[in-house]
Amino acid sequence: DAGITQSPRHKVTETGTPVTLRCHQTENHRYMYWYRQDPGHGLRLIHYSYGVKDTDKGEVSDGYSVSRSKTEDFLLTLESATSSQTSVYFCAISAQDEQFFGPGTRLTVL
Amino acid sequence: QKEVEQDPGPLSVPEGAIVSLNCTYSNSAFQYFMWYRQYSRKGPELLMYTYSSGNKEDGRFTAQVDKSSKYISLFIRDSQPSDSATYLCAMRLIQGAQKLVFGQGTRLTINP
Repeated sequence: DAGITQSPRHKVTETGTPVTLRCHQTENHRYMYWYRQDPGHGLRLIHYSYGVKDTDKGEVSDGYSVSRSKTEDFLLTLESATSSQTSVYFCAISAQDEQFFGPGTRLTVL
Repeated sequence: QKEVEQDPGPLSVPEGAIVSLNCTYSNSAFQYFMWYRQYSRKGPELLMYTYSSGNKEDGRFTAQVDKSSKYISLFIRDSQPSDSATYLCAMRLIQGAQKLVFGQGTRLTINP
């Protein structure tokens, strides 16, 4: 599993509430990513980071923000959750030319 | 139109059959091609990874890339029930932040 953990693994929240998902890696990889997975769409990139405090937007970044204050942690925040953000969220890291994924967080926004 | 297209299936075959999974893409600049396997309620697991064109074999799995046709394939020989999963193709550029673009995934079931 390339030393990637995600927390929480499951979360149910209400529309309009803030939500923060955490990704933690143990191997000091430079690149970290957040993807979401929805039926019919595969995985789509939300944001990524190429170092501490260095982040950039992906394909579906609207409504999401990220922060990386330490190499090992990459946080994804939904400032005001909406039902369209109900999804499974995966964190990933790049090691050499390969990308490895965490176990995922299943988020439901009611 | 999506940048990477993959038939979502579902695909159901008998045990022992040869399975062919395919993706097409539109961006000729893609150079790295991956296949991920994802079991239900798990994260994607890297199965095969190919740079540029050609074939790569690993046990029962063979990945093929045809850049002239913008077409990639994954073949599974002697398929087993344990191969039942969703298979996702992914690809990326040679430069940059290694951002992956995924197909929709194909759900595969191998029937004993």
